[in-house]
Amino acid sequence: QKEVEQNSGPLSVPEGAIASLNCTYSDRGSQSFFWYRQYSGKSPELIMFIYSNGDKEDGRFTAQLNKASQYVSLLIRDSQPSDSATYLCASVTSYGKLTFGQGTILTVHP
Amino acid sequence: GAGVSQSPRYKVAKRGQDVALRCDPISGHVSLFWYQQALGQGPEFLTYFQNEAQLDKSGLPSDRFFAERPEGSVSTLKIQRTQQEDSAVYLCASSRDRSYEQYFGPGTRLTVT
Repeated sequence: QKEVEQNSGPLSVPEGAIASLNCTYSDRGSQSFFWYRQYSGKSPELIMFIYSNGDKEDGRFTAQLNKASQYVSLLIRDSQPSDSATYLCASVTSYGKLTFGQGTILTVHP
Repeated sequence: GAGVSQSPRYKVAKRGQDVALRCDPISGHVSLFWYQQALGQGPEFLTYFQNEAQLDKSGLPSDRFFAERPEGSVSTLKIQRTQQEDSAVYLCASSRDRSYEQYFGPGTRLTVT
């Protein structure tokens, strides 16, 4: 079992809809989680991080963390075609080492 | 200021050749990470430096892989006797001290033929 697991998709949503991306993790000691976006042929770019149970909102993005269920999610509201990319969930150690899931491919169609 | 830069951007090596991949982190960034990303997968951790000290090399897949950061800035990842399974994108990331936001370079795409 991988430490961080994501549904690889692809996930396809219409423009304007909510995209829901999910991630589970196996290490109960994991404290913090990052969501990265990676366009094809580009390097990952940070969208959000979350370390407390509950929701964290930033613009159209909401990250959710449930430590009891070992579950992290990212919601993208009002999805745009420019949101089409691979979304990577990652747990992080105390010194910053990232353990990534395999990524979920999101396609937003007009 | 400039971001993380990596060179070369693309490298084709014949099986058995040695390669060296360079990473220039953001100036002043103490932490430096190397990751390997196979096609269709998330990046996998290789090694971590704090300044010039290599504090974690648990992700290096074999003793053919070697990384250094002698002056605490530029880092080089060296792969000896390359194999086809080494074909991947090698990503370098840096962060300021122990802060969590890592900035990734554009990567080096290595193809071993």
